Amino acid sequence: DVVLTQTPPTLSATIGQSVSISCRSSQSLLDSDGATYLNWLVQRPGQSPQLLPYSVSNLESGVPNRFSGSGSETDFTLKISGVEAEDLGVYYCMQATHAPLTFGAGTKLELK
Amino acid sequence: AVQLVESGGGLVQPGKSLKLSCSASGFTFSSYGMHWIRQGPGKGLDWVAYISNSSGTVYADAVKERFTISRDNAKNTLYLQLNSLKSEDTAIYYCARLGADYWGQGVMVTVSS
Repeated sequence: DVVLTQTPPTLSATIGQSVSISCRSSQSLLDSDGATYLNWLVQRPGQSPQLLPYSVSNLESGVPNRFSGSGSETDFTLKISGVEAEDLGVYYCMQATHAPLTFGAGTKLELK
Repeated sequence: AVQLVESGGGLVQPGKSLKLSCSASGFTFSSYGMHWIRQGPGKGLDWVAYISNSSGTVYADAVKERFTISRDNAKNTLYLQLNSLKSEDTAIYYCARLGADYWGQGVMVTVSS
């Protein structure tokens, strides 16, 4: 199975600060169809996970544009440009290129 | 709007069975593969099972031979039959659409004597 390694495990930020989370894959996530199925999710306290950037860098309607994703092959980054109070929670990267779906261990974003 | 609503969780003794349901609305259910994903207490996310839009199925090794995923397109409902439950199956169980773009609110399954 593909192993996704997220760093850091915990992140402490002030409101307005920009932060980044790294996700490294044990193998390339470039699919034979040319797409890279690496998604980011956030799980706010007491809630189910919600999709942030999908396929590396695409944003669904309704996802704030302060969230951006980048990367390729095995190295990916989620950036939050200007953390807001509602952003606290646990962030997960997830891959769907190779069966089975696998998830990173999560990065907990705390507010200072 | 896309909505996924799980039901059927609860407290069950080891070795017993439970059936979870996930009612879908707001999209053409029959066109999408669906996942069950679980989260143990204080833990991360673990994929459990997948069913394609043509009802092909895949399972995590930890639940193979014990859990069965199925769907009823006429009822827009996804199911997960959990048999021979173990304490380590205790978790919140989420249904999620292919690509994990939409998730339900989750349902708690507690396996304990």
